[in-house]
Amino acid sequence: EVQLVESGGGLVQPGRSMKLSCAASGFTFNNYDMAWVCQAPKKGLEWVATISYDGSSTYYRDSVKGRFTISRDNAKSTLYLQMDSLRSEDTATYYCARLGHYWGQGVMVTVSS
Amino acid sequence: DVVMTQTPVSLSLAIGQPASISCKSSQSLLGTSGKTFLNWILQRPGQSPKRLIYQVSKLYSEVPDRFSGSGSETEFTLKISRVEAEDLGVYYCWQGTHFPYTFGAGTKLELK
Repeated sequence: EVQLVESGGGLVQPGRSMKLSCAASGFTFNNYDMAWVCQAPKKGLEWVATISYDGSSTYYRDSVKGRFTISRDNAKSTLYLQMDSLRSEDTATYYCARLGHYWGQGVMVTVSS
Repeated sequence: DVVMTQTPVSLSLAIGQPASISCKSSQSLLGTSGKTFLNWILQRPGQSPKRLIYQVSKLYSEVPDRFSGSGSETEFTLKISRVEAEDLGVYYCWQGTHFPYTFGAGTKLELK
């Protein structure tokens, strides 16, 4: 059974950093591109970033470029999202996804003073 | 960015009725590979999204065949032949052809 389990969310002040993790199991992690998708409260879904299967390529939406970094550790089957210079508009549930196939349960990030 | 426009915003249907959701993209989703990366997902209340359809019309193995997808280029449709109780939630189309990947705003299916 495929499982994607996010962790690392919570309350953080504007301008501070937070790192999300996603532990993957049930499939060969290093064969697949992975992504983060967010959903602000009561809003729709928004793609955040994608990383290629081997970590050699990364892609970001404009609003997070230079602030967020997606990375992976294939030996640990784990996906990461380092979020720096956080803003109130980054408040959302963040989903780890093998995009198009599987989604995690999501982790809430609240940016507020 | 590719804008994905879904209609209607909401649907209120009785069990057994058909449903149809439209998704239009601001530019063609036909990729250089010859594939069209238009997908549909369902987010049930309080849950994370679940996959339904990929590349316009291909159903994932666990998806009931009352669901179908069609379309090309910039116009796409999701149909449910007969709505069941487990189908309620918000349906999203999303495109994976062009970066940044983009989602429609969602169509909420409610049961009458």
